[in-house]
Amino acid sequence: GENVEQHPSTLSVQEGDSAVIKCTYSDSASNYFPWYKQELGKGPQLIIDIRSNVGEKKDQRIAVTLNKTAKHFSLHITETQPEDSAVYFCAASLGFQKLVFGTGTRLLVSP
Amino acid sequence: GAVVSQHPSRVICKSGTSVKIECRSLDFQATTMFWYRQFPKQSLMLMATSNEGSKATYEQGVEKDKFLINHASLTLSTLTVTSAHPEDSSFYICSARRASGVQETQYFGPGTRLLVL
Repeated sequence: GENVEQHPSTLSVQEGDSAVIKCTYSDSASNYFPWYKQELGKGPQLIIDIRSNVGEKKDQRIAVTLNKTAKHFSLHITETQPEDSAVYFCAASLGFQKLVFGTGTRLLVSP
Repeated sequence: GAVVSQHPSRVICKSGTSVKIECRSLDFQATTMFWYRQFPKQSLMLMATSNEGSKATYEQGVEKDKFLINHASLTLSTLTVTSAHPEDSSFYICSARRASGVQETQYFGPGTRLLVL
């Protein structure tokens, strides 16, 4: 079955810097890759997703890139702000199958 | 965006009692809902997949008689923790899958924190 690895486990940046979180997946057939942001005590919130027919997707300060050959995808956050501090989870799935989550990255943005 | 609600947000109960958690998709129909459990500082652990009108599919190691799931309508799924014990204390999160063409997007509820005394 699918296995998703996520790095780093923790990431500390200064406000205004960029942050990059990387994930690798094992099943080359996977075709859907969402990213979730989870704040303390809350449920995960979908922030961006990408499907295998595109290589990059951007939404304001957030972008996701996908390299199908290498089986990895990354989340890029530019101009980070303290409110970006949270735990970020990547996930992968094939069609209607269940999502397989990464282990999470705790992002801390210092003012 | 799609909204998923959970109720209650927090519950404290005595050992041996049963607790029911509701999950609703507020502005879309969800043929499939999922129930997750999350321990502190850990990732989401899928417990079961719930399809409207049929029996839930449980993940390996999850006791179906302890965690009863009912998906009675396209907008409501419930998780009942039966005869709860302190080790069942956890953060339970549901999600609902919204169909969009050939791909489906999954939206999460705010979670329910269960504390069993």
